[in-house]
Amino acid sequence: SAVISQKPSRDICQRGTSLTIQCQVDSQVTMMFWYRQQPGQSLTLIATANQGSEATYESGFVIDKFPISRPNLTFSTLTVSNMSPEDSSIYLCSVVRDPVTYNEQFFGPGTRLTVL
Amino acid sequence: SQQGEEDPQALSIQEGENATMNCSYKTSINNLQWYRQNSGRGLVHLILIRSNEREKHSGRLRVTLDTSKKSSSLLITASRAADTASYFCATDAPTSGTYKYIFGTGTRLKVLA
Repeated sequence: SAVISQKPSRDICQRGTSLTIQCQVDSQVTMMFWYRQQPGQSLTLIATANQGSEATYESGFVIDKFPISRPNLTFSTLTVSNMSPEDSSIYLCSVVRDPVTYNEQFFGPGTRLTVL
Repeated sequence: SQQGEEDPQALSIQEGENATMNCSYKTSINNLQWYRQNSGRGLVHLILIRSNEREKHSGRLRVTLDTSKKSSSLLITASRAADTASYFCATDAPTSGTYKYIFGTGTRLKVLA
């Protein structure tokens, strides 16, 4: 398995501000993803974080609202921009080490965001 | 959109009983994974089963996969209070050309001591 850390673990933010969430993995991984889990709901994939290029966003998610960076194979950030109370969720990063031979997907502990 | 639908949505059993959760999905898959989530925390990976496998075991967990019915089940035997959690299945979407996983709706399991 991979050891994944996220910062911050939780935050309370004001409407209209932005928050950047960091995801750090203890070893190089091929694929990194960002998910959102709204209260009482399942996980929804936001985007695939691509190393050295723009992230690939799922339907309903756009780069202006959720800019993502992935400068190397162990680190990624997700920014939640111009926040509103509807953005209150748990944000989770996940990794797949090698999709061809070892494709279990592991998750970080999540960032619990509350927007007032 | 959700690839997987799980049932039941909620399940309450006595400690020592077995718990069975089902996951149905819509399109062909390469792999299906099961996860546990305690009280809104991070997800714990339980088992990955590949499309050419029919059954896998891990401790008290047994997962089956029926690709003809596009369904999987997770059986927890001799349940404990500590098994109280939400359980999710996740399937990949090989037709999309990526390895991303889409999650089911989840089953909330409560084990009563």
